[in-house]
Amino acid sequence: QKEVEQNSGPLSVPEGAIASLNCTYSDRVSQSFFWYRQYSGKSPELIMSIYSNGDKEDGRFTAQLNKASQYVSLLIRDSQPSDSATYLCAVLLNAGGTSYGKLTFGQGTILTVHP
Amino acid sequence: KAGVTQTPRYLIKTRGQQVTLSCSPISGHRSVSWYQQTPGQGLQFLFEYFSETQRNKGNFPGRFSGRQFSNSRSEMNVSTLELGDSALYLCASSLIGNTEAFFGQGTRLTVV
Repeated sequence: QKEVEQNSGPLSVPEGAIASLNCTYSDRVSQSFFWYRQYSGKSPELIMSIYSNGDKEDGRFTAQLNKASQYVSLLIRDSQPSDSATYLCAVLLNAGGTSYGKLTFGQGTILTVHP
Repeated sequence: KAGVTQTPRYLIKTRGQQVTLSCSPISGHRSVSWYQQTPGQGLQFLFEYFSETQRNKGNFPGRFSGRQFSNSRSEMNVSTLELGDSALYLCASSLIGNTEAFFGQGTRLTVV
């Protein structure tokens, strides 16, 4: 089992729809979770961080964390063509307490928003 | 506030050579991490430095090394380059390593 897994893509949604991206992680005691967006040929850009169970909203983005089920998700409301990118889930796994600065990434989900 | 700066942006090297990449973190950030990104393996952690000390290391051969200076700037070095080292090398900085990390633009290394 991979340490961080994302739902397989690619994901295609129409403009204006809700895009739902999911991620599961293996380390039950992990505390810090992040979503990055990466456009083709660019570096990852942080769009959301979440540390506590529940929902965290920022504009059109909502991150959801469920530590009991070990999953974190990202919802993008009113999706726009400019949201088309690869979305990366990243976790600071806490195995052995040596997670400082060590983000473990999922393989990424390619999202395409079509007009 | 300036972001994370990586230099150079592009490099072409020959097998067997060595290369040094540089990263200047966001002002006030003391943790610098390095990652390798390839189409096949995705983003993989190389190492992390904090206060000039390597705190974490990924599963890469000893040809990959790094260091951090007192001003938190960091360098990574790859010796005896192999074709498989061709990748996008990314550096990320964060305050102390357990919160949000911000990436630089990356250095695209091509080994021929």
